[in-house]
Amino acid sequence: DQQVKQNSPSLSVQEGRISILNCDYTNSMFDYFLWYKKYPAEGPTFLISISSIKDKNEDGRFTVFLNKSAKHLSLHIVPSQPGDSAVYFCAALIQGAQKLVFGQGTRLTINP
Amino acid sequence: EPEVTQTPSHQVTQMGQEVILRCVPISNHLYFYWYRQILGQKVEFLVSFYNNEISEKSEIFDDQFSVERPDGSNFTLKIRSTKLEDSAMYFCASSESGSTYGYTFGSGTRLTVV
Repeated sequence: DQQVKQNSPSLSVQEGRISILNCDYTNSMFDYFLWYKKYPAEGPTFLISISSIKDKNEDGRFTVFLNKSAKHLSLHIVPSQPGDSAVYFCAALIQGAQKLVFGQGTRLTINP
Repeated sequence: EPEVTQTPSHQVTQMGQEVILRCVPISNHLYFYWYRQILGQKVEFLVSFYNNEISEKSEIFDDQFSVERPDGSNFTLKIRSTKLEDSAMYFCASSESGSTYGYTFGSGTRLTVV
């Protein structure tokens, strides 16, 4: 079951530059998307979300873009900071349902 | 900041034994969840719980699994007869108003079945 896919298992970015994490989905019923960040030995932490009626949502250094026709979303972090080094999970759901469907995660490393 | 607390952080159990994983959700939250992550794989939904009953469950959540909110503060996941493939990180989560605004996850319990 690969309804939500993050095709890059890892990404390395220099401090101060932009980090772009990508996510694709196959289920056109998904209408809400979320990004979570996870440090080792901790649970996932909610970062930012977007409804399918929007194409962009911004919160400080984090922006999520949604391209419904391509079934693609991305998370932009700018500027990237060393504390952003973590695993980032994309997740999707059908509003009204309770089940989040996660991608495999992308390990982001910010280099000084 | 309020947090979801899970105990124990690591549990080792023999195959065939029963195990109970415990969680204390955030006090004013109404929706409770269990997810798991097998090493190297994605985080998978197990079950959601609202108003003292299961509201949704995945195909993973078979008769070996059960959940309970025994005393109004704890939320437990019981695995009746553990198998080797139940070894995973189990995350409890809670939410005030359902999934849309993001859950708060606990730090997880690493279950190792030997």
